[in-house]
Amino acid sequence: AQKVTQAQTEISVVEKEDVTLDCVYETRDTTYYLFWYKQPPSGELVFLIRRNSFDEQNEISGRYSWNFQKSTSSFNFTITASQVVDSAVYFCALSGPGGSGGFKTIFGAGTRLFVKA
Amino acid sequence: KAGVTQTPRYLIKTRGQQVTLSCSPISGHRSVSWYQQTPGQGLQFLFEYFSETQRNKGNFPGRFSGRQFSNSRSEMNVSTLELGDSALYLCASSRSEDTGELFFGEGSRLTVL
Repeated sequence: AQKVTQAQTEISVVEKEDVTLDCVYETRDTTYYLFWYKQPPSGELVFLIRRNSFDEQNEISGRYSWNFQKSTSSFNFTITASQVVDSAVYFCALSGPGGSGGFKTIFGAGTRLFVKA
Repeated sequence: KAGVTQTPRYLIKTRGQQVTLSCSPISGHRSVSWYQQTPGQGLQFLFEYFSETQRNKGNFPGRFSGRQFSNSRSEMNVSTLELGDSALYLCASSRSEDTGELFFGEGSRLTVL
């Protein structure tokens, strides 16, 4: 069975602080994809990043960086020098083969990030 | 390029009624997934359709059903509504059946009284 755990329910930081959002996953599949999505107050989830299970290279995109470690089944997300606009709910997701073809994506419970000015 | 469109955006129903929600995926996307989002349960997978066939299904009762049309548009239906069905229902479309990257609509917020 697949499972995604985001143990941090809410995080509050002051602007310009760095913040790391944790994600731990469980799967028996050898081929799978990991994602992070952002849900701002407006409600629409926005895709941030995708990693496949064979690529453990960390990735940096501007102030965002992701650390994928298969050994610990973790896919953590760090925001450097946080800004008020980063305030949102962040979801980690795991996509693996579905029972009838294609992929099935499940989400963690989300981490609500508050960035105070 | 138009995004994923969901209608209606908001609706109020009473217990026992049924509701149909509609989703138009991004042009060219053939996979449509539905999720239920509630404060207590987070994002729960309902089902996924590809080429008019339901390929994957979550752990929801049979009151929740869906379908996909030949133009990839999808509908989901909830019959005999219960108070606990109050939620934001999100539709997501996918460009590729292999990667699972999802593009979400703004959702349909259902309130059951």
